[in-house]
Amino acid sequence: QQQVKQSPQSLIVQKGGISIINCAYENTAFDYFPWYQQFPGKGPALLIAIRPDVSEKKEGRFTISFNKSAKQFSLHIMDSQPGDSATYFCAARGYQKVTFGTGTKLQVIP
Amino acid sequence: EAGVAQSPRYKIIEKRQSVAFWCNPISGHATLYWYQQILGQGPKLLIQFQNNGVVDDSQLPKDRFSAERLKGVDSTLKIQPAKLEDSAVYLCASSSISSPGTQYFGPGTRLLVL
Repeated sequence: QQQVKQSPQSLIVQKGGISIINCAYENTAFDYFPWYQQFPGKGPALLIAIRPDVSEKKEGRFTISFNKSAKQFSLHIMDSQPGDSATYFCAARGYQKVTFGTGTKLQVIP
Repeated sequence: EAGVAQSPRYKIIEKRQSVAFWCNPISGHATLYWYQQILGQGPKLLIQFQNNGVVDDSQLPKDRFSAERLKGVDSTLKIQPAKLEDSAVYLCASSSISSPGTQYFGPGTRLLVL
């Protein structure tokens, strides 16, 4: 099963708040879990990624939490800013192929 | 380093017409991907090349879509004939052999089929 389920579909957060996006997968062969950020009219850009042997990875205000036993991972954006308003996609790589989630449209309001 | 280049950026055609998109990946990237992104959805892989060979084209509608990467560098994706449901953004991405999970995307070509 190559599907990656992402929620919520949309999210509104106040400036300074924490944005949390969740993803779940079925295929235990996935070995790399990137998150992509996409602004309108642009292609997705790699934001942060994690391997399944690590439970958490932090880069600046962005943190991935990974729960291997539950087959879930999430993106946390601390101190969310209006400039973070974009669509976020989780993804999972397996068998040389990357499968994307359906996306979360984040709006950070002042 | 220059990013992934795509052209055209926008295209409007009528159904049953043909259209072609071009992609030039990041220099040295052996793997090239074409994705279809319908509004409000995640990118869906159409075809993946490694050098000039096809790795995965399982989701490419081969009765109307074709793609080639003849010299292992740039690539073209063609739709012939186009249908209304082909309206989408077509994204090209590339990655290196050493970091296959890190894909670099181009800006995409927005196709509208009327």
